Order: sequence, then structure tokens, then C-alpha cells
Amino acid sequence: ETGVTQSPTHLIKTRGQQVTLRCSSQSGHNTVSWYQQALGQGPQFIFQYYREEENGRGNFPPRFSGLQFPNYSSELNVNALELDDSALYLCASSLEGTMNTEAFFGQGTRLTVV
Amino acid sequence: EDKVVQSPLSLVVHEGDTVTLNCSYEVTNFRSLLWYKQEKKAPTFLFMLTSSGIEKKSGRLSSILDKKELFSILNITATQTGDSAVYLCAVGAGNNRKLIWGLGTSLAVNP
Repeated sequence: ETGVTQSPTHLIKTRGQQVTLRCSSQSGHNTVSWYQQALGQGPQFIFQYYREEENGRGNFPPRFSGLQFPNYSSELNVNALELDDSALYLCASSLEGTMNTEAFFGQGTRLTVV
Repeated sequence: EDKVVQSPLSLVVHEGDTVTLNCSYEVTNFRSLLWYKQEKKAPTFLFMLTSSGIEKKSGRLSSILDKKELFSILNITATQTGDSAVYLCAVGAGNNRKLIWGLGTSLAVNP
């Protein structure tokens, strides 16, 4: 157990809908990173939040957005869902401000868009 | 463009064999290299490497980093069926310390 929790664990949505995924970071961690992992692929970096601000973004369109709250939990929002958005969405928490830090992952949310 | 390349992409061995997984990288402002094991869902942290030539070891698993040649290897000795998984390599780079991931090596250990 890493102490990082994600909800929901599974989700089925229809194309064009909107979805919100949630992540509670490990105690003491102030940074949350979100990743999309398609079947058979390595995780792709979506964005990172540090102290409630976006702190880096990967190659994802603006319909992928996020939030970080004062307790460092985070949300990932995806608007206008497309079939290709079907993937495992992983949240990782880490402690910034240190030179080197490992990231610990939640169990992920499996999103299926039909 | 930052990239992490793992090889081989897949591997099938018998129980008891020793395997070596490779991870090479080209990134700006290298911070660390991390190895993860992914079975069904979330990747599980194995090692973090920041210095060249210092082996990290945990049971039958060990790993080492070469910052001059820009690669790392993960060794698994006396493999067991429970070692079957995808092994992912990620490199922490840049000011925001984002992780850049390889595609993984899918390891199957047959009894």
C-alpha cells in the first residue's frame, strides 16, 4: 500500500461526456502527477501539480485539465471524451523541494469510453 | 526531445534463469532513474538511482546506473513465476521533475 488512493477504480463513459477523476496523495507529499497509460504502452505524462499550481504539462489538449486542493489532493477533468481517451489513468504523489524523490502511484482509474 | 528506451520489449524465460533488462535515456537535466514493476494496475516502485556505479540491491533484484553511457540495467537472478510482470524504467528530468517513461519490458517466467 502506497497511501495514494484514486477514485473511482473503473468508469464507463459515452463519447462527448465529461469525467472527473480523483486522487488523494500520500501523507506528507505535496506534488501530484497524472499519467495516461494505454494498453501495452508506458505511462504518458499529462501534467503535474505542485502547491495548487500546474507545474508542467505533457502533450495533451486543453480538454484535459486539473486542480490541486490545499490538502494536496487532486482532480483530473477530461471534457468532450473521445474513444482514444480509454486508458488507465494513474496518479503519482511525490515530495518536491528535494533533489531526488521517488513517486508513489495509486491503483489507477480504468476509463472506458464507448 | 527527451526519451527513454527499454530493451528487450518482451522476454520469456524459465524459472531459475537470470535476466538483464536495459534502459537507455536521452534527457535534459537528468535527476534520477527509477525502476518500477507493473503487474495488473499501478506500477510498484523498485529502485531509484542517482549516482553512477553504485549498485542497489533488494533480494534477487539489483540495478546499476551508468551516467556516462546514459543507461541502467535491472538484474533478476533465480527468476520465479511471480516475477512475471512489465518492468518500467522512468527518468526524472527537468525543473518540474516530470517522469519520462519507457515502454516497458514484458517478462514472462515459465515454470
